[in-house]
Amino acid sequence: KAGVTQTPRYLIKTRGQQVTLSCSPISGHRSVSWYQQTPGQGLQFLFEYFSETQRNKGNFPGRFSGRQFSNSRSEMNVSTLELGDSALYLCASSMRPGGTSETQYFGPGTRLLVL
Amino acid sequence: DQQVKQNSPSLSVQEGRISILNCDYTNSMFDYFLWYKKYPAEGPTFLISISSIKDKNEDGRFTVFLNKSAKHLSLHIVPSQPGDSAVYFCAAKDSSYKLIFGSGTRLLVRP
Repeated sequence: KAGVTQTPRYLIKTRGQQVTLSCSPISGHRSVSWYQQTPGQGLQFLFEYFSETQRNKGNFPGRFSGRQFSNSRSEMNVSTLELGDSALYLCASSMRPGGTSETQYFGPGTRLLVL
Repeated sequence: DQQVKQNSPSLSVQEGRISILNCDYTNSMFDYFLWYKKYPAEGPTFLISISSIKDKNEDGRFTVFLNKSAKHLSLHIVPSQPGDSAVYFCAAKDSSYKLIFGSGTRLLVRP
């Protein structure tokens, strides 16, 4: 069974531009979550989608948005990029949303560098 | 304000010895905790978890201990192997089931 895939793996953008990252969950998984990882900050939750609906949102500005398609694939978009948006963006999938013991499986991430 | 803290950014141990990674949390409402391991250029992989109704969970060489009164959990790896060298993240589930991660501890197991 294929794991979570993320494209592209690496991306370089300049300030003010926008970017779209893509995530394909494990087959059969319908919940997708996005995280931002920066040095010293660990992973910070961005949002979670299930059945094309955003179920949960972290504490990020409105420049960060996402969506999920009927096939459970998800995209996240960052508009008006800032230098501080440089990070590793990780996507995780699970069969169901939330739940105490539901395990999330992570993709390899997209490393975004904003110049 | 970080709700989950890993105060040791790095740890180095000899192969065959015990590795102890620590994690503290501030929110007493957290009721489920997880450890993830991350290798460079890969996403985190789930390692072991523990519910707040337990104080210990064991899986092979990995054991997680939870001290609710101290709001502290630890991951023990015995015996440590060079392949265990990675960054370890602890995480807690909040009331909306979001994962709140610590900043990670880089473990180096020396041959």
